[in-house]
Amino acid sequence: NAGVTQTPKFQVLKTGQSMTLQCAQDMNHEYMSWYRQDPGMGLRLIHYSVGAGITDQGEVPNGYNVSRSTTEDFPLRLLSAAPSQTSVYFCASSRGAGVWNTEAFFGQGTRLTVV
Amino acid sequence: AQSVTQLDSQVPVFEEAPVELRCNYSSSVSVYLFWYVQYPNQGLQLLLKYLSGSTLVKGINGFEAEFNKSQTSFHLRKPSVHISDTAEYFCAVSDQGDYKLSFGAGTTVTVRA
Repeated sequence: NAGVTQTPKFQVLKTGQSMTLQCAQDMNHEYMSWYRQDPGMGLRLIHYSVGAGITDQGEVPNGYNVSRSTTEDFPLRLLSAAPSQTSVYFCASSRGAGVWNTEAFFGQGTRLTVV
Repeated sequence: AQSVTQLDSQVPVFEEAPVELRCNYSSSVSVYLFWYVQYPNQGLQLLLKYLSGSTLVKGINGFEAEFNKSQTSFHLRKPSVHISDTAEYFCAVSDQGDYKLSFGAGTTVTVRA
């Protein structure tokens, strides 16, 4: 059981380049989300999805796009990378809302550096 | 949105000593509460969660946490730490019925021999 898989693990981009961070889960979870982790700031929600075809913005959405065409996949796109987007990115999934469904499972992270 | 405050950014502790990590949250509505651990260069792993019922929650690796509704706190404790407990610990909160988690800034625990 792979859980939540993120690729790549490391990436260096030049300012202005675009790229897609991949996230896939094999647990048939409804809810998926992207966070960025910066020192002293914890994890901040970028975008989330409550099911295929449904996405919404989180706390820090600017500069990022998402789509959810299947239950399994939730890619995060950086449209024009900026140094301020240097961070560690985590994808997470959970079964859904409700008392027994809220545990989030996290991928291993993608360490992105924008130069 | 919830605001989560972890009161200590760094906690150094000697092996076999107890440790307490403090977490306070902002909302007075019904919430779910979580503690996650992140070992170096890894993703986040759930330590324990409070959903309802007993306010004392036991998790993996000997950790426990106590939910105090009147003080809006969810402090994490371990009576005797090991070197392997060196990690960053995150407190997280969600409103009941909501999907979204709000995280604290994290507490780095360094266990020394």
